[in-house]
Amino acid sequence: QKEVEQNSGPLSVPEGAIASLNCTYSDRGSQSFFWYRQYSGKSPELIMFIYSNGDKEDGRFTAQLNKASQYVSLLIRDSQPSDSATYLCAVEGQGGKLIFGQGTELSVKP
Amino acid sequence: DAGITQSPRHKVTETGTPVTLRCHQTENHRYMYWYRQDPGHGLRLIHYSYGVKDTDKGEVSDGYSVSRSKTEDFLLTLESATSSQTSVYFCAISEDLAGRTEAFFGQGTRLTVV
Repeated sequence: QKEVEQNSGPLSVPEGAIASLNCTYSDRGSQSFFWYRQYSGKSPELIMFIYSNGDKEDGRFTAQLNKASQYVSLLIRDSQPSDSATYLCAVEGQGGKLIFGQGTELSVKP
Repeated sequence: DAGITQSPRHKVTETGTPVTLRCHQTENHRYMYWYRQDPGHGLRLIHYSYGVKDTDKGEVSDGYSVSRSKTEDFLLTLESATSSQTSVYFCAISEDLAGRTEAFFGQGTRLTVV
């Protein structure tokens, strides 16, 4: 079992819709969770981090964490074509080790 | 932008030759990471460092070694390059700030082993 798993997609949503991206992790001791966005041919960039159970909102982005279910999600409201990218979930393990999922490709259609 | 520089940006090498990739940071961050990225696999951790001379293996460390003799430099060496090591390699840095460790990435190195 991979330490961090995501649906690889591709996920296609119409412009203006809500995109929902999901991630599960195996290490119950993990405390820090991150969402990165990566445009084709570019480096990953951090868009959200969450450390506590519940929701965290930043503009059109909401991260949700449920440690009991070992589940992290990212919601993108009012999706725009510029949101089309690969979204990577990352989980921090012991000793600062940072493990990524395989990424979910999102396509927002105008 | 975080001060991270990877070199070289592109390299073509022959099977069986050693190759060293360099990651240089100007942020004085404690943690440094090497990842490889292949289609369908996301980012896979090769090795990481939590301080000078302190390193540990990641998910896909076979065939790779690392060294960190200074805070600012983290070197990744492919001891004898194989075609399966053709990939895009990313370096990342992070710092533990009151329990928060947000990683920032370099531009990537595209390595082709022929």
